[in-house]
Order: sequence, then C-alpha cells, then structure tokens
Amino acid sequence: GENVEQHPSTLSVQEGDSAVIKCTYSDSASNYFPWYKQELGKRPQLIIDIRSNVGEKKDQRIAVTLNKTAKHFSLHITETQPEDSAVYFCAASDSGGGADGLTFGKGTHLIIQP
Amino acid sequence: NAGVTQTPKFQVLKTGQSMTLQCAQDMNHEYMSWYRQDPGMGLRLIHYSVGAGITDQGEVPNGYNVSRSTTEDFPLRLLSAAPSQTSVYFCASTAGLSYEQYFGPGTRLTVT
Repeated sequence: GENVEQHPSTLSVQEGDSAVIKCTYSDSASNYFPWYKQELGKRPQLIIDIRSNVGEKKDQRIAVTLNKTAKHFSLHITETQPEDSAVYFCAASDSGGGADGLTFGKGTHLIIQP
Repeated sequence: NAGVTQTPKFQVLKTGQSMTLQCAQDMNHEYMSWYRQDPGMGLRLIHYSVGAGITDQGEVPNGYNVSRSTTEDFPLRLLSAAPSQTSVYFCASTAGLSYEQYFGPGTRLTVT
C-alpha cells in the first residue's frame, strides 16, 4: 500500500518568513495530493490540493509543488502570520481521495514566532 | 446543510464494552470513510465505503465493523473495546466527482 513520509515534524519560523513542508510517497499510481490544516481540537480542513497532471498550484500565500518523478510534493507558505500556527498534514491517494480514502503523513507542527 | 455530523463528541468506555459511533452526511456524497487519529501518527484509515451496501477495509480495520445501509449514514462499531482503541475518530465524505474529503467534528473515545 501507499506510504507517505512527512518532514519536518516541527517547524518554527519567524512571523513574515516562509515555511516549507515536504512529503514523499511510495505508490507511483497516486494521483491526488491534498494538504490539510488542523487546529487544536478541531477537524482537518483542506487548504490546497494538487492532481498529478499539474506541477504547481497557488492560492494566495499558499502553494504546492509536485515532482512525480521523484515522488515528492511540498507545501510553501509565504509571509507567515500567527494564524498559520497549526498542524499540517499531507496525504496521497490513487483514487482521487474519494473512493478508498487517503494515506496521511504524520504531520508537521508549524509554530509562528512573533 | 449540516455537512458531516458525528455523535457522540466524547465517550468513555470500559474494556470489553461495545458501542457505535454515528456518522451522517446530508450532501448526498457517495464515498465515506472512517479514520482514527493518535498523537504523532497522523490519520489512519479504518474502513471506507463507495456507496450504500459496499464497504471495505482500510489500514487499521481490526476491532471495528461498519455497514452502509443508506447513502447518508456510515456507523462505526467497536465490538469489544480495548485501551488501544483510545483515540479521536473522524468520519469523512467525498462527492463522486470531487476529490475533497469533508471531515466531521470528531469523536474523542477513551477506553479504560
């Protein structure tokens, strides 16, 4: 089955700086790669996703890049703000994330230092 | 729309007891899934369903049963609770043509 590795487990950055979280996956058939943000005690919320026919996607301060050859994808957050502090999870699926669920990484605790 | 709802929010069980975690969605989504979340482990897939009457096992199915008699409901049953099943449980649903999974608010289960 699919295996998703996520690094780092904890990331501390100064407010206003950029943050990068990286994930690798094992199944070359995976075709959907979402990123979720989870605040303490809350449910995961989708913040951005990318499909395997696209190399990069941006949404304001958030971007995701995908390298299918190397089987890795990354989340980039620019101009970080205090409200970006949370746990971020990457995930992968070979069915579009719907039919047979998602395989998640173990999460990155992002801390924004004032 | 209420989206994905889960009950109860909190539950404490004794070892050996059984219970059912409820999950419902009002978005007419075909696909539904159950995950458990443990500290430092991310979310792990327990069971999933691609439609009424169809279920399958995920990564960590042992000790759990599911059924899907309607499109809206996808209950998760713990047959004989064990302390290792102490976790936060999330239900999720996805529309057939959309890739986004919508998560419920979660159920925090403690087994003593």
